This record gives sequence, structure tokens and C-alpha cells, in this order.
Amino acid sequence: DGGITQSPKYLFRKEGQNVTLSCEQNLNHDAMYWYRQDPGQGLRLIYYSQIVNDFQKGDIAEGYSVSREKKESFPLTVTSAQKNPTAFYLCASSMAGYTEAFFGQGTRLTVV
Amino acid sequence: AQKVTQAQTEISVVEKEDVTLDCVYETRDTTYYLFWYKQPPSGELVFLIRRNSFDEQNEISGRYSWNFQKSTSSFNFTITASQVVDSAVYFCALSEGGNNNDMRFGAGTRLTVKP
Repeated sequence: DGGITQSPKYLFRKEGQNVTLSCEQNLNHDAMYWYRQDPGQGLRLIYYSQIVNDFQKGDIAEGYSVSREKKESFPLTVTSAQKNPTAFYLCASSMAGYTEAFFGQGTRLTVV
Repeated sequence: AQKVTQAQTEISVVEKEDVTLDCVYETRDTTYYLFWYKQPPSGELVFLIRRNSFDEQNEISGRYSWNFQKSTSSFNFTITASQVVDSAVYFCALSEGGNNNDMRFGAGTRLTVKP
């Protein structure tokens, strides 16, 4: 089945550690996105990539990093510089241009 | 700056009731796009509808309907004869540039449909 796979579903991180969230899509979409969702708030864009080997910062990129070495993959690293990383993270993809985005099922990250 | 307001944080209805989810937006652009997404308990967002600013026709899809009114900057979503499976968080979103990377989401409305 075509879709977006995020892993793991739940992730626990100790303070001061970097963690990487995986996002893979087999929809042949050019564009991929990472969003953060906090309780009672809408989604906020962290990073996006319109093409392989290129990505742009979103509204809340500080403390995060990404790579786009393959069309199918867009991993997100939450670094120790992110002071409040506990949140629900959603990955999405879309065709180039203007179409609806398809979302993964998310990763819930908790700092312990 | 673009902004989306969903004033209803939570709504609870009994099955078969009709329910309307409100969405009010702000933008200075004359060209923009509005969206509704559904987030079921499984977590992923599911696309429901996209509407551009030049198309004010209301749309109906089964039990779902959308009322777009530029005069009041609103894009409301109505579920007719609600069902338990409609229970989810619903997000309204706005994009001025026509790209997903500038999409702004409202805070969401949690709808609970009780049997």
C-alpha cells in the first residue's frame, strides 16, 4: 500500500540527547514536511523539502535538523538544543505544486 | 499575516445530530486556499477539502458540507446525521502562497459523537 510511515510511534529521550525520527514515503512525492503538534495548538511547520538534497526552515526550526538524501526519506533529528521537545511530530508529503498533503501517523516524543 | 481561528475547542453531540465546526480566517491576500483536515485517534491527518478564494460555491460530499463566505471570512464545516466514527479533531487551515509550506493551521476542534 502506498503511504507514509513514521517510526517509532513512541520515543523517549533523556535530556541532552539527540534523537532521530524516521519518515519514509512510497508515494513518489517530491515534497516532504515535518510538523510539530502541541496540545490545544494547531500544527506548526519545522522543516520542508521540495526536492532531494534541498530543504528549508519552517516557522520553528531552531533545535531541529533534517536531511533529504533520498526522495523517499526525510528524517528529523531533535537535538539537545531544542529546549522543549516533548510533542507529537507529524511527517507529510505532497506532489510538487499545489495538492493536498498526506500525513503519517506521527511520533510522540517524550523527554524523561 | 495569515491566521486561522477555530473558537470551538471541544464539541460533544449525540449520534444523528447535525454539528457545525466554525473556522474564521484572516489574510491580506486576494488569492488563498482553505482546507479542512480530520485527525482520528490514530494520529494522521486526513485531507477532507480544499477551496480556493475565487470559488465561493458551497460543497457537499455525502454527510459533509462546507459553507465558504468571504464576506465574513469564514469556512464552516457541517456534519449531518453525525456518527460515532466522526469523532476526531478537525483542523481548518489557510495557505496564501499556494504551497503547503506556508499553511497555517487553526488550533483544532475536538468532536465527540456519543452513541
